[in-house]
Amino acid sequence: KAGVTQTPRYLIKTRGQQVTLSCSPISGHRSVSWYQQTPGQGLQFLFEYFSETQRNKGNFPGRFSGRQFSNSRSEMNVSTLELGDSALYLCASSLVLAYNEQFFGPGTRLTVL
Amino acid sequence: AQSVTQLDSQVPVFEEAPVELRCNYSSSVSVYLFWYVQYPNQGLQLLLKYLSGSTLVKGINGFEAEFNKSQTSFHLRKPSVHISDTAEYFCAVRYDSGNTPLVFGKGTRLSVIA
Repeated sequence: KAGVTQTPRYLIKTRGQQVTLSCSPISGHRSVSWYQQTPGQGLQFLFEYFSETQRNKGNFPGRFSGRQFSNSRSEMNVSTLELGDSALYLCASSLVLAYNEQFFGPGTRLTVL
Repeated sequence: AQSVTQLDSQVPVFEEAPVELRCNYSSSVSVYLFWYVQYPNQGLQLLLKYLSGSTLVKGINGFEAEFNKSQTSFHLRKPSVHISDTAEYFCAVRYDSGNTPLVFGKGTRLSVIA
């Protein structure tokens, strides 16, 4: 069974640009969560989607948005990039229930110059 | 606010020695507890989880953890570490009903010395 895949793996952008990251969950998984990982703040929850509906959202500005498609694939978008958005963005999928094990993808390393 | 505290940011240990990585969480009626490991340039991999039942949980790679409700702790242990255990370890908690996001600790960097 293929794991969680994230594309692209690495990305370099400049301030003010926008970026879209993609996540394909494990086949059959319907819940997708996104996290931002930085050396200073650690792992911070961005949002969680289930059946195309956002059901939880972390404390991030509105520049961070996401969506989930009918095939459970998810995208997150960051508009008007800032230097502080440089981070590893991790996607995780789980079957259905919130407390199920989450399987993480390898992440997308975003660098904002 | 609900929080998870990993008391040690870095833990150096010699190969074949035992290790304990500490994790405390803010109290709640019910919690679901997890330990994840992250190797360089990779995502997180689940080591073990506590949902209910026996407070001693065994995971992969010889790791185990004990849920202590009175001390609100979920410490991770391994009786004998290997060089390959060098990685970042994260404790995570889901609070209350379970329909809440995972809250992660800041991580503990385990360095195994030959």
